Amino acid sequence: NAGVTQTPKFRVLKTGQSMTLLCAQDMNHEYMYWYRQDPGMGLRLIHYSVGEGTTAKGEVPDGYNVSRLKKQNFLLGLESAAPSQTSVYFCASSSSPGNQPQHFGDGTRLSIL
Amino acid sequence: AQSVTQLDSQVPVFEEAPVELRCNYSSSVSVYLFWYVQYPNQGLQLLLKYLSGSTLVKGINGFEAEFNKSQTSFHLRKPSVHISDTAEYFCAVRDQGAQKLVFGQGTRLTINP
Repeated sequence: NAGVTQTPKFRVLKTGQSMTLLCAQDMNHEYMYWYRQDPGMGLRLIHYSVGEGTTAKGEVPDGYNVSRLKKQNFLLGLESAAPSQTSVYFCASSSSPGNQPQHFGDGTRLSIL
Repeated sequence: AQSVTQLDSQVPVFEEAPVELRCNYSSSVSVYLFWYVQYPNQGLQLLLKYLSGSTLVKGINGFEAEFNKSQTSFHLRKPSVHISDTAEYFCAVRDQGAQKLVFGQGTRLTINP
């Protein structure tokens, strides 16, 4: 009963380094989302996908790229990490964008030094 | 564009006291409304949702919320809180037909013994 799994759970990077966050869901959901959570700002949408092979920009897409090569996986990439990207990143999935709730992973805590 | 305001960033209450967490949204178009709970170092879990029908919806852990279309509000209530309710609570709104969920800033509920 895994649901949404995010890896890694913690990571510390130096400014300028690159990395990829992996999100995997086993619920056969079409829609997947990447959010960042910062104190006092709630969750802000970075990128999302409405199906395999598709991606779209959210509210705060700059500095991030995504790929959805397989339906169950949604990857978030940081090409050149900056201290402003220090945050907690959450992945979510849903079966439809309408009245169905989103299911969240446990988050990735990322620190950029 | 839709926006969500949670009027209190922190709410301290004593155990067994009632609590209300307030949520207002900006757009009066038809919406779907959600409350999520985030326990420390975990992802978000769905508490309850309003899709249509009765304006009073009941969720898990004894929580309920009332949809008020004229006030564009969706306040969360619990008649008697427990220490285990200590968490951050997020209100979220999706316009019908939209793909994105808009989150409020979150309310940190602290239960004192």
